[in-house]
Amino acid sequence: QSALTQPASVSGSPGQSITISCTGTSSDVGGYNYVSWYQQHPGKAPKLMIYEVSNRPSGVSNRFSGSKSGNTASLTISGLQAEDEADYYCSSYTSSSTLEVFGTGTKVTVL
Amino acid sequence: QVQLQESGPGLVKPSQTLSLTCTVSGGSISSGSYYWSWIRQPAGKGLEWIGRIYTSGSTNYNPSLKSRVTISVDTSKNQFSLKLSSVTAADTAVYYCARGLIEIDYWGQGTLVTVSS
Repeated sequence: QSALTQPASVSGSPGQSITISCTGTSSDVGGYNYVSWYQQHPGKAPKLMIYEVSNRPSGVSNRFSGSKSGNTASLTISGLQAEDEADYYCSSYTSSSTLEVFGTGTKVTVL
Repeated sequence: QVQLQESGPGLVKPSQTLSLTCTVSGGSISSGSYYWSWIRQPAGKGLEWIGRIYTSGSTNYNPSLKSRVTISVDTSKNQFSLKLSSVTAADTAVYYCARGLIEIDYWGQGTLVTVSS
C-alpha cells in the first residue's frame, strides 16, 4: 500500500487561503468518503482537523475545510494565521488489508 | 475526556524487542467499538501505521512489519501493548498510541524510542 501523495510544502501570507492536496487511487481516496486531515505542530501529537472528507470535530476552527474530487482530497485553510504553521497529514480508508493509509505530509509555512 | 499515555524503555539495543504500553484513562478500553492503534514517526519523517487491535481483540498489522509485530490488550488494566522484535536503527522513532480508524480522535503524547548499542 503506497502512501497518499501530498505536496512537500505549501506557503501563504497571513489572511490568505491555501489548499493542500492529497492524491490517492480509486482503492482509497476515490472509492470512499473516509478521508481525514491531521495537524501536527513540532514535538506534538497529530490533531484531527477534518473527518469524513469535510466534517470538522468540535472545537476546530471553521477556517479549515475539506473536499474531494475523484481520487484527490483537499484541505483548505482560509484566513491563514501564524498558528496554522505546522505539518498536515491526510489519511484515507483503503480496500487493502491495512484499512488505512496516510499521506506523505505537507509543511505549511506562514510567510 | 479520554487520555492515552505511552510508557516503556526509551533505549533498546539492536536485535532486541521493543515493548511499549499504552494506558487509557477516562474511558474503558473494552467499551464501544474502537480500534486502538500504534503509529510511529521517525525524526523529520511522516507517520507510519504499525498496527491496531479492535475492541473484540482482532488485530491487523502493517505488512512491512507484520513478521515482527504483536499488539495485545489487557482490559483489566485498561492498557494495550506493542512488541516489535529484532529491532534495528531504522526502528528509531517517536511511537504514538491512538484511538480510532481513519478518524483518530485521541492520541498519546508520543514516546521516543532509540535503537542503539
